[in-house]
Amino acid sequence: DIVMTQFPDSLAVSLGERATINCRSSQNVFYRSNNRNYLGWYQQKPGQPPKLLISWASTREFGVPDRFSGSGSGTDFTLTISSLQAEDVAVYYCQQYYAIPITFGGGTKVEIK
Amino acid sequence: EVQVVESGGGLVQPGGSLKLSCAASGFVFSDSGIHWVRQASGKGLEWVGRIRSKSNNYATAYAASLRGRFTISRDDSKNTAYLQMNSLETEDTAVYYCTRLAELGPSVTTDFDYWGQGTLVTVSS
Repeated sequence: DIVMTQFPDSLAVSLGERATINCRSSQNVFYRSNNRNYLGWYQQKPGQPPKLLISWASTREFGVPDRFSGSGSGTDFTLTISSLQAEDVAVYYCQQYYAIPITFGGGTKVEIK
Repeated sequence: EVQVVESGGGLVQPGGSLKLSCAASGFVFSDSGIHWVRQASGKGLEWVGRIRSKSNNYATAYAASLRGRFTISRDDSKNTAYLQMNSLETEDTAVYYCTRLAELGPSVTTDFDYWGQGTLVTVSS
């Protein structure tokens, strides 16, 4: 199984400041035949299902604010919130869909400092 | 408008069975692989299993930790998928979500873009 390791487990950021979440996969999730990383980022608020923010490591979903961005390739990935807003308080998960079983990182809790 | 609605959760005793349903609309259900993901209270997301589309022979796969106790099926005529859970254990207590990966032939063309609100399964005596 591909193990997804997220860090930090939690972080507190001031409003308007940058938040950076890292994710490392135990195996490469880049598929050369279509030049894509099978890596997604999700936001989950209490009592709600996860919401897909970023797919293919860096493609923002429709309607997701552009302060959210994803980067990285192969085994190392980053989700950046460029200017934290109050509504961004949530738990964020990375996930690989390169191979079955699909696996998720342990989550990063983002709070306001 | 896309809708994904899970149902069938509830309280069940250890060793019991439960069948969850996932009814979807607003997207091409028959071209989607349907996945189940669960989340125990205060914990992270755990993939349970999936059933692929007809063009992929309705192939199923499951988390190894389930040890063959769960079965996923689908009825494309009803835009509905099912999760049959047998020999339930207290560790299976969680919110169960249904979601999808769109498929084009053998390829996946989306990540988990549509999710239901989940249905709570509680296994307790």
